[in-house]
This record gives sequence, C-alpha cells and structure tokens, in this order.
Amino acid sequence: DPKIIQKPKYLVAVTGSEKILICEQYLGHNAMYWYRQSAKKPLEFMFSYSYQKLMDNQTASSRFQPQSSKKNHLDLQITALKPDDSATYFCASSQFNQDTQYFGPGTRLLVL
Amino acid sequence: GQQVQQSPASLVLQEGENAELQCNFSSTATRLQWFYQHPGGRLVSLFYNPSGTKHTGRLTSTTVTNERRSSLHISSSQTTDSGTYFCAIGDNAGAKLTFGGGTRLTVRP
Repeated sequence: DPKIIQKPKYLVAVTGSEKILICEQYLGHNAMYWYRQSAKKPLEFMFSYSYQKLMDNQTASSRFQPQSSKKNHLDLQITALKPDDSATYFCASSQFNQDTQYFGPGTRLLVL
Repeated sequence: GQQVQQSPASLVLQEGENAELQCNFSSTATRLQWFYQHPGGRLVSLFYNPSGTKHTGRLTSTTVTNERRSSLHISSSQTTDSGTYFCAIGDNAGAKLTFGGGTRLTVRP
C-alpha cells in the first residue's frame, strides 16, 4: 500500500488558472515537504512544514501556497498558473530534521 | 548555498559491469541521502549515509564527510538498474535536501 499519496497523478491546466495538488502521508511523520522537478532544473526544494507550521520556504513566488489542514496533509495551491510551472511536484515526509525523507509518486503538471 | 555535483552525468554499461557514481558537495553535510528515480518518475530512497559505508544487495554507499564526497557503487549491473541516481544533502539549518543533477544510468542487455 502506498504510504504517501499524491493526487492527481497527472494534471493539465490552462495559463492563469488555479490548481491544488494533494498530498497525504501515512507514515506517522511530523514533517512534510514539497519539491519540484522540471526539465530545466534539478529537483529543488520548495517548502517544509513541521507540526503543521511552515519551517522553510525557498519559493520566490507567492503564487505557491502550501496548506496543511491535518498533521498528515500538505496540499499545494498554485494560482495564476504559467507554462513555466510545468513540472513534476513531489511531496515528501520524514521525522523532523532526522534521517531519511520519503517521497511520494509525484503529480505531473502541464500548463498550456 | 549548498551545491552538489554528481558525476558522470550519464553512464552506459553492459549488463554485468560495475558502476561507480560520484557525489561532491560544497559544504559540510550532516545528512546525505542517495535516491533512485525510476524511468517512470518515482523516487526511491536507497541510502541514508552521512558518513561511512553502507551496503544493501548489490549497492554500496561510501561517504567521506571531511572530504565532502560520497560514492555509490553498483556491482553486477542489471537492466532493471537503469534510471537516474541522485545524491542529496542537508544540514542542521533546516530539513530541506539539496539535490545534485543526477547520473543517468543505462544498462544494456
């Protein structure tokens, strides 16, 4: 059974629209993260949350907003989508500041 | 900020050959993790290895912290080893991982 669930698996959006990427983890971890992987850049860190509080934000744009409604949820809202936002977005989790991070299967976003 | 350099960028092997993947990083890392990315995109953690040597199956990771380098050795490669291998580091300042550019491995039958 998958321990980190990301929904949807694939997403196609039009420029200017808004989408929410869903992430749920069932590993009992207290830290969750978002990373992005595009054709132009290597895997890059976006956000980290611990106990539902923002710990680190490396995303320059306020169009990206993480949302944590539950301890094991960390969704990513993206507004005013641009073609450059096209990428695979990975959610990850761990015990905060310890050891191994585990990654979800990713959501592949294409903005037309 | 931290930088992670991986080499080679790509590698082609015949099945049965060994591979040595390198990771060099710019600053002291208290956390280091090796990942394998399936051709379909899924990321799998192979090792958490900030120092020393670890083995699992045909894989061996060796990290020399004070030399800021780590290696991943794959012995007797198989076609199913094909994919991209990433090294990522983290420090005590936060929990984020900084990834290298990856090594794309192709193992031919």
